[in-house]
Amino acid sequence: SQTIHQWPATLVQPVGSPLSLECTVEGTSNPNLYWYRQAAGRGLQLLFYSVGIGQISSEVPQNLSASRPQDRQFILSSKKLLLSDSGFYLCAAIGQSNTEAFFGQGTRLTVV
Amino acid sequence: AQSVAQPEDQVNVAEGNPLTVKCTYSVSGNPYLFWYVQYPNRGLQFLLKYITGDNLVKGSYGFEAEFNKSQTSFHLKKPSALVSDSALYFCAVRGLSGAGNNRKLIWGLGTSLAVNP
Repeated sequence: SQTIHQWPATLVQPVGSPLSLECTVEGTSNPNLYWYRQAAGRGLQLLFYSVGIGQISSEVPQNLSASRPQDRQFILSSKKLLLSDSGFYLCAAIGQSNTEAFFGQGTRLTVV
Repeated sequence: AQSVAQPEDQVNVAEGNPLTVKCTYSVSGNPYLFWYVQYPNRGLQFLLKYITGDNLVKGSYGFEAEFNKSQTSFHLKKPSALVSDSALYFCAVRGLSGAGNNRKLIWGLGTSLAVNP
C-alpha cells in the first residue's frame, strides 16, 4: 500500500528564517506529487506539483519553492519566511496505477 | 472552467440519523469524483470514488455516494451517523482533459460535519 511520510508535524519559525519540509512516498513509483496549503482548516490551495524528477510546476506566485531530487522525495522550501506563510502544509501523491490521491499527515507551520 | 461546489459550510445531524453532504461539479466530459475526510490536524483520508459503472458507490466507514450526471452532483451519504463521523469532508473532481500526466484535482472548500450525541 502507498504511504506518505511528511515531517515535521509541527514547526514554529521566526520571520525571515529558512524553511525545508520533506515528503517521501512509499509503495509506488513515478508518482505525481503535490504540495498543498490549507488555511484556517478549510480549503486546499495547490502550491506545486511534479510529474517527475526535477519537474516542478508552480500554481501560485509566492515566497516558496519546491524540488524533487528523487522519484519519491518532494521538498518544500523558503529562503525567508513571511508571516503569511503560516498554515497547514500537506503533501499528496497519485501513483501511476491509481486514480485517487494519498496524503501525508501534514505540517503545521507557524511563523512568528 | 472546472469547479467543485460544496454549498454547505456546516452540516449538523443527530447521531443515528441519516446524513448527506452535498457536492456539485462542473467539468467537461466524464469526471472522476472523490470524497475525502479530514480529522483535526491530520491529512486527508480517501473515502470513495466514482470512475464509471454503478451510480451508487460504497466506500469506507459505511459511507456511500451517488453520482447524478444530469444534476452534476455527487452527494455523500450515510444511513446512520456516528459521533465519530464528525470531521471536515472534501469533494474533489479530476477532469480528463489536460496534457501528459497532469492529474490535478479540483477541490471543494469543504463541509464541516457535526454529529450530535
